[in-house]
Amino acid sequence: KAGVTQTPRYLIKTRGQQVTLSCSPISGHRSVSWYQQTPGQGLQFLFEYFSETQRNKGNFPGRFSGRQFSNSRSEMNVSTLELGDSALYLCASSEQGSNTGELFFGEGSRLTVL
Amino acid sequence: AQSVTQPDIHITVSEGASLELRCNYSYGATPYLFWYVQSPGQGLQLLLKYFSGDTLVQGIKGFEAEFKRSQSSFNLRKPSVHWSDAAEYFCAVGAAGLGFGNEKLTFGTGTRLTIIP
Repeated sequence: KAGVTQTPRYLIKTRGQQVTLSCSPISGHRSVSWYQQTPGQGLQFLFEYFSETQRNKGNFPGRFSGRQFSNSRSEMNVSTLELGDSALYLCASSEQGSNTGELFFGEGSRLTVL
Repeated sequence: AQSVTQPDIHITVSEGASLELRCNYSYGATPYLFWYVQSPGQGLQLLLKYFSGDTLVQGIKGFEAEFKRSQSSFNLRKPSVHWSDAAEYFCAVGAAGLGFGNEKLTFGTGTRLTIIP
């Protein structure tokens, strides 16, 4: 079974631009969560989608948004980029209902904002 | 709100020595507890989890953790570390009883483990 795939792996943007990151979950997983990882703040929860609906949302400004498609693939978008948005963005998928509590993480998309 | 504290930012141990990484959590009810490991340039991988029952849980790669409710702790242990264990380790707490799993986990800030030969 293929793992969680995130694209792109690395990208560089400038302040004010916007960026879209993509996540393909493990086949059969209907839940996708997004986390921002920075050296100072650690792992911060962004949002979680299940069956195309946002089920949970972290404490991030409205510039951060996401969506999930019918095939469970998910995208997140950050508009009007700021220097502080430089981070590793991790996507994780999980099965709903299995109650295993296990998140399967992708390798992340490393965003650098100049 | 749930929270996790990992008091050790960085730990260095010799190869073959024992290891204990500390984790303290705050949660008002029965928590779900997890340890994840992140190797450089990689995503996180689940080492072990605690939901209920036996308070000593076994995980992959020879790791174990013990849930101590009275101390609100879930420390990770390994009797003999290998050079390949060098990584960053994250403790996480999830909310039990939500009925749909724990997609929203709260992570600690991590402990970086260095192994010296």
